[in-house]
Amino acid sequence: DAMVIQNPRYQVTQFGKPVTLSCSQTLNHNVMYWYQQKSSQAPKLLFHYYDKDFNNEADTPDNFQSRRPNTSFCFLDIRSPGLGDAAMYLCATSTIRTGYSSTDTQYFGPGTRLTVL
Amino acid sequence: LAKTTQPISMDSYEGQEVNITCSHNNIATNDYITWYQQFPSQGPRFIIQGYKTKVTNEVASLFIPADRKSSTLSLPRVSLSDTAVYYCLVGDNRDDKIIFGKGTRLHILP
Repeated sequence: DAMVIQNPRYQVTQFGKPVTLSCSQTLNHNVMYWYQQKSSQAPKLLFHYYDKDFNNEADTPDNFQSRRPNTSFCFLDIRSPGLGDAAMYLCATSTIRTGYSSTDTQYFGPGTRLTVL
Repeated sequence: LAKTTQPISMDSYEGQEVNITCSHNNIATNDYITWYQQFPSQGPRFIIQGYKTKVTNEVASLFIPADRKSSTLSLPRVSLSDTAVYYCLVGDNRDDKIIFGKGTRLHILP
């Protein structure tokens, strides 16, 4: 089945130690997103790729970076994790159609729960 | 991107119909209304989308009045497994991103 896969599901890192989260998709969607979701809060968009074009949200800290080497894969790099970066990180995909048709839905992965010690 | 307002939480009982209303006073002409469901420790999942009047699928119905300034998600005969957070979003395909509001935490009681 076509899907969005995130690895690992659980990640533990130490304060200040770089960590990379990965996302892959078999949907062949041209847009990929990274969200951060803290406990009892709504998902917060960090950035997204429209094909190779990177779009950063204005309030995303510089500590968060992303790479998209090809259509299928997207990575979230946290350069120096702090205790406040402990959260669920969600990857999602969608496809953008032209014209005034309905909005395309986003397909989310299961998330990676990051713990910072 | 239009802002949405939903109740923070709701309780209901198994077998009841649940209606969650979302307010979106500044919805634009080309905006669609989309609802997502999120279970604990999972990513959000698309439930239903509509533009006007009524949309129904195997999971829910979406009622949208003529002025489109609000919408109501209707879940028929809920079960314990419908306990989740429900997010209402508005936007159109010119936006290549969506912004989640606070959502409604629905708790189904036995």
